[in-house]
Amino acid sequence: QLQLQESGPGLVKPSGTLSLTCIVSGGSISSTTYYWAWIRQPPGKGLEWIGTSHHSGSTYYNPSLRSRVAISVDTSKNQFSLRLSSVTAADTAVYYCARHLEYFGELLDGWFDPWGQGTLVTVSS
Amino acid sequence: QSVLTQPPSVSGAPGQRVTISCTGSSSNIGAGHYVHWFQHLPGTAPKLLISANNNRPSGVPDRFSGSWSGTSASLAITGLQAEDEADYFCQSYDSSLSTWVFGGGTKLTVL
Repeated sequence: QLQLQESGPGLVKPSGTLSLTCIVSGGSISSTTYYWAWIRQPPGKGLEWIGTSHHSGSTYYNPSLRSRVAISVDTSKNQFSLRLSSVTAADTAVYYCARHLEYFGELLDGWFDPWGQGTLVTVSS
Repeated sequence: QSVLTQPPSVSGAPGQRVTISCTGSSSNIGAGHYVHWFQHLPGTAPKLLISANNNRPSGVPDRFSGSWSGTSASLAITGLQAEDEADYFCQSYDSSLSTWVFGGGTKLTVL
């Protein structure tokens, strides 16, 4: 059974870079049909998709975050990572990693499953 | 403000049926993009309940079902049980925003 677990600092200073890693167990991150995503939820607000990446290098980013975000997949460690630069208090959120599945070969109609349990990242000095 | 609109809360007594709506627009649900539903208990990983409008993954009870019409989708839960008390949210894709989008979530209370 595939499991995902987020790890990384819980506190980041304003203007700094948020870095998180998602460790994948119970399956290979190199599977051709799987993509890997980051999603976040600010306190009291709804979920926001950050980006999706494939081990081949294909990446899709939320246009509102594209200038600050990078997602990479490390097949040797079976994990993928998120980097978000120039953070502000507005980036304070619970960050989730998830597998992003296609539906009949179409990523647009895909869904996220499974998810990690999430990790709270606070941006504060 | 979430792109997909859900009621903040719904409630029902054990054994009853409740529905949770997910209202979108012509650029997401109305454009034919599929809707997926999740159950979320705070502090835990969200769990997939329904994929592609009305498909239940293995292990999800048939008390959960999804439907879709026009620019909206619905999750129905029959035979409510105390263990169903949780947050539920929908997800789709928005072709105008070029992003995957979510509903704001609905808190289900079992009375």
